[in-house]
Amino acid sequence: GDSVTQTEGQVALSEEDFLTIHCNYSASGYPALFWYVQYPGEGPQFLFRASRDKEKGSSRGFEATYNKEATSFHLQKASVQESDSAVYYCALRYNVGDNSKLIWGLGTSLVVNP
Amino acid sequence: NAGVIQTPRHKVTGKGQEATLWCEPISGHSAVFWYRQTIVQGLEFLTYFRNQAPIDDSGMPKERFSAQMPNQSHSTLKIQSTQPQDSAVYLCASSPGTGWSDYTFGSGTRLLVI
Repeated sequence: GDSVTQTEGQVALSEEDFLTIHCNYSASGYPALFWYVQYPGEGPQFLFRASRDKEKGSSRGFEATYNKEATSFHLQKASVQESDSAVYYCALRYNVGDNSKLIWGLGTSLVVNP
Repeated sequence: NAGVIQTPRHKVTGKGQEATLWCEPISGHSAVFWYRQTIVQGLEFLTYFRNQAPIDDSGMPKERFSAQMPNQSHSTLKIQSTQPQDSAVYLCASSPGTGWSDYTFGSGTRLLVI
């Protein structure tokens, strides 16, 4: 079945460090790929998506590029801030008929130390 | 726009009791999703409604879980004979339901079964 793998369970950085969170997927078709962010006590929030090969999604300084050949959608940010501390989820979704549920990775907890 | 509203925020039930969780989606959104979130399993899809009709309940434990959407302004998730393994955060999300429209999540209901 379709799946999303996030390599890092937890990432600890200092402010202004460069961030990469790895996301790889396995899918039988051509899904759209998403990044969501979740802060404590809240539900996940949509960050951005990409729906075709080589498309770059971005928001709030975060970005990721859809790589169909490598089946990847790695999240990056050039300079993290303490306020970026949260859990980040990679997900995929098909928009086929009425079945449009998201398939989620297990999440990566980012801790940014001041 | 108050966003997706979930009530209660916290619920404690004794083993074997019933729990009912409520979700008010964003007005005008046609798709409503229920997810369960635990540290071990991450985000698990439970069920999905479109225009109040059940579309996909493949994630619902069949015996004790049920979900309804009696009108466009609310959905309920009912768990009968709750067990300690049902302890989790239950998240509701809604979406306009067109194209790659994004999910908006509520803050969740944290259920503790003791």
